[in-house]
Amino acid sequence: DAKTTQPPSMDCAEGRAANLPCNHSTISGNEYVYWYRQIHSQGPQYIIHGLKNNETNEMASLIITEDRKSSTLILPHATLRDTAVYYCIVSPQRGSTLGRLYFGRGTQLTVWP
Amino acid sequence: DGGITQSPKYLFRKEGQNVTLSCEQNLNHDAMYWYRQDPGQGLRLIYYSQIVNDFQKGDIAEGYSVSREKKESFPLTVTSAQKNPTAFYLCASTYQATTGANVLTFGAGSRLTVL
Repeated sequence: DAKTTQPPSMDCAEGRAANLPCNHSTISGNEYVYWYRQIHSQGPQYIIHGLKNNETNEMASLIITEDRKSSTLILPHATLRDTAVYYCIVSPQRGSTLGRLYFGRGTQLTVWP
Repeated sequence: DGGITQSPKYLFRKEGQNVTLSCEQNLNHDAMYWYRQDPGQGLRLIYYSQIVNDFQKGDIAEGYSVSREKKESFPLTVTSAQKNPTAFYLCASTYQATTGANVLTFGAGSRLTVL
């Protein structure tokens, strides 16, 4: 039940910003945008989420377009340890499909030295 | 440190055998989930539990069973009825709030190989 579209792969030089796009043109008004990442053979790790406004935390920034149909995850200074698969997910707020976050194939980000 | 512990990390089984994967959390989370991941694929939901002694089927529950006798524990049994059980299994948990965002915490995973 994929509601998002992400490029299968991207690369980025170490120290540069990594900008990962995500299209979610059918997003509903009560749906959050979540980003997780998964380093090879490990469990996914939560990065950030947002509803309407741009968000920033210690890991990344999330830019959501005004019409909410797309978003970009920004890793401001990518390191080799940021090499991972990044998942963009949209999901309703709690009360309807608790925990049913649909993880597609994501974007494989490779950070090179 | 709080977190989710999955065991074993690697497991081999012969065809026809049932195996049980352990998932324990000390985060005081109410809801727990099991996902399956195949190579190069996303995660698919097997079962989830929102409260003790209650659980619901996810998208691919056939051939699997779960129990939730304690808040901290949500073991998954892969039965012999599961036709292609070789996969990476992930357990997750979250608070059971009624509104707002739903942020999952994942364990490190268990890799099951059927010989």
